[in-house]
Amino acid sequence: QSALTQPASVSGSPGQSITISCTGTSSDVGYYNFVSWYQQYPGKAPQLLIYDVIHRPPGVSSRFSASKSGNTASLTISGLQTEDEADYYCCSYTSSRTGVFGGGTKLTVL
Amino acid sequence: EVQLLESGGGLVQPGGSLRLSCSASGFTFSSWFMIWVRQAPGKGLEWVSAISASGDSTRYADSAKGRFTISRDNSKNTVFLQMDSLRAEDTAIYYCAKDLSGYSADYWGQGTLVTVSS
Repeated sequence: QSALTQPASVSGSPGQSITISCTGTSSDVGYYNFVSWYQQYPGKAPQLLIYDVIHRPPGVSSRFSASKSGNTASLTISGLQTEDEADYYCCSYTSSRTGVFGGGTKLTVL
Repeated sequence: EVQLLESGGGLVQPGGSLRLSCSASGFTFSSWFMIWVRQAPGKGLEWVSAISASGDSTRYADSAKGRFTISRDNSKNTVFLQMDSLRAEDTAIYYCAKDLSGYSADYWGQGTLVTVSS
């Protein structure tokens, strides 16, 4: 149950697009279409952005999109806004029938 | 409106026990998996445990296996996490969450802080 690998930090300017990667193995990200992404502000509970690799829950901006290729999932935020500055986490179902999170990525909007 | 409200956190000595509760409302509780996730101070999210809708299937992270027990009472719309043999590294905010699909959690509680210290 090793954590999924995410970059510790990414940054971008308002209006730009950024992509956060999430690398797992053939026992989690690579095998199951159960990858989710979360946004978390300091002191707050996480909020679901993406589920089942590509799907957005109601109310989540279309500026958030996601994909998967092999053992790596990706979250793209387009048209960056200052309010997007937060921590982002990926999560995957695993062959052990458990879940595993990535280490988290801090997004800075310059 | 979906609401999840955790309780039961607090300060406990190493080796001690705590029972966390999460009271749910606003959805058909008995139809959904429930999940516990924790976050140590200044650290990332860690998946802890999950329980099936009926309660007959439970799953645990390696860090929780053998020490934590998840359960639920569908008549009271409540999920529990019994934590025994607590260690300093179990210090964290514990969140309960409703599973949407494959451990994608669409609703989260506000969290309850567990501090393991002498």
